[in-house]
Amino acid sequence: DVKVTQSSRYLVKRTGEKVFLECVQDMDHENMFWYRQDPGLGLRLIYFSYDVKMKEKGDIPEGYSVSREKKERFSLILESASTNQTSMYLCASSSPGQGFGNTIYFGEGSWLTVV
Amino acid sequence: GDSVTQMEGPVTLSEEAFLTINCTYTATGYPSLFWYVQYPGEGLQLLLKATKADDKGSNKGFEATYRKETTSFHLEKGSVQVSDSAVYFCALSPTTGANSKLTFGKGITLSVRP
Repeated sequence: DVKVTQSSRYLVKRTGEKVFLECVQDMDHENMFWYRQDPGLGLRLIYFSYDVKMKEKGDIPEGYSVSREKKERFSLILESASTNQTSMYLCASSSPGQGFGNTIYFGEGSWLTVV
Repeated sequence: GDSVTQMEGPVTLSEEAFLTINCTYTATGYPSLFWYVQYPGEGLQLLLKATKADDKGSNKGFEATYRKETTSFHLEKGSVQVSDSAVYFCALSPTTGANSKLTFGKGITLSVRP
């Protein structure tokens, strides 16, 4: 079975803390993505990666960075957490050729609350 | 740029009612179109997809037809069940670029009453 695993389902962090959200996929996919999901705004792309050590900004990269040292792992980093980063974060992966109908697979999400 | 517009929600229906959730898109060329579903407390999972004009995607009693002339991909089900209560997202992926990413609509919450 296809599996995208996000290490933490629920986190509570303080303003200014550095936060790491980890994601691992077991499908040998080249592409990995981080989205955030907010009510009324849908899913917005933060960063994506096409290969190890490759990364590209999505629509809302400000305040975030990413790391992809191994093919199966894609980490999202909040350098200094702020309350407006309280959200649900979704990791996803896919094989190349997504534009031709290949499925993108999602993890279960990480609920982050910044207080 | 590319965009997806979904009808406003939430939607509340009685069990066995007919469901239509509207989705229209703006994109150049011939994008692939998707419906994803998110059940309470879970991540998104693919419900169905269509990769070219006039294709019909179907799964679990849901259907959607890729209509290029109206740039639409409306989701339908003839008889909804309580277990269909979830958030539904329409999405597209452009045809150009081997590593294209998904653009999502805002999602719509469906609640089905027994």
